[in-house]
Amino acid sequence: LAKTTQPISMDSYEGQEVNITCSHNNIATNDYITWYQQFPSQGPRFIIQGYKTKVTNEVASLFIPADRKSSTLSLPRVSLSDTAVYYCLVGDIKAAGNKLTFGGGTRVLVKP
Amino acid sequence: KAGVTQTPRYLIKTRGQQVTLSCSPISGHRSVSWYQQTPGQGLQFLFEYFSETQRNKGNFPGRFSGRQFSNSRSEMNVSTLELGDSALYLCASSPVFGRAYEQYFGPGTRLTVT
Repeated sequence: LAKTTQPISMDSYEGQEVNITCSHNNIATNDYITWYQQFPSQGPRFIIQGYKTKVTNEVASLFIPADRKSSTLSLPRVSLSDTAVYYCLVGDIKAAGNKLTFGGGTRVLVKP
Repeated sequence: KAGVTQTPRYLIKTRGQQVTLSCSPISGHRSVSWYQQTPGQGLQFLFEYFSETQRNKGNFPGRFSGRQFSNSRSEMNVSTLELGDSALYLCASSPVFGRAYEQYFGPGTRLTVT
């Protein structure tokens, strides 16, 4: 499994865009990048997943450069309710028997 | 569609006792995984069940066990509880085996061992 490195914490203000970068230098050819969000005392929630270039859904955007050694989760116009821990995971989503390995995550605090 | 449900949500047990936690996956999901989350160790994989068979196992002692029923509902059991077993236990489901990266988590069961 590719090792991931992401900042421990980030502060932001309501209405701003939050960008969280995850480094994964030893990403393999078959690996995808997946982001989860977790609120206190709740289970993680799948946010977005991508392989290359840019993926966008109703919640976030995921930017992946051509070398795929890093990725950036972008949360547009955050609100107080976006305060959570965000996890970056890298792995082969199609390999049977895979188990999720969560790192420390990035604790995002959105201030009024 | 209803999400993953876990019961009970909160539990207090005494060291040495045993506990059983229950998980009902999203309707139609056949794979259920269990995770332990603690402030010190983060989120750690316990085991995964698919079609009533354990398909994958993490590095936990044999005190931790589980099973899956024909309706895909799952239970996990921890025997001879230790103080270090205090944690948030999360259940996650996915439609088929192998979709580890697109799992849907329940709210968890907060276990406190005193």
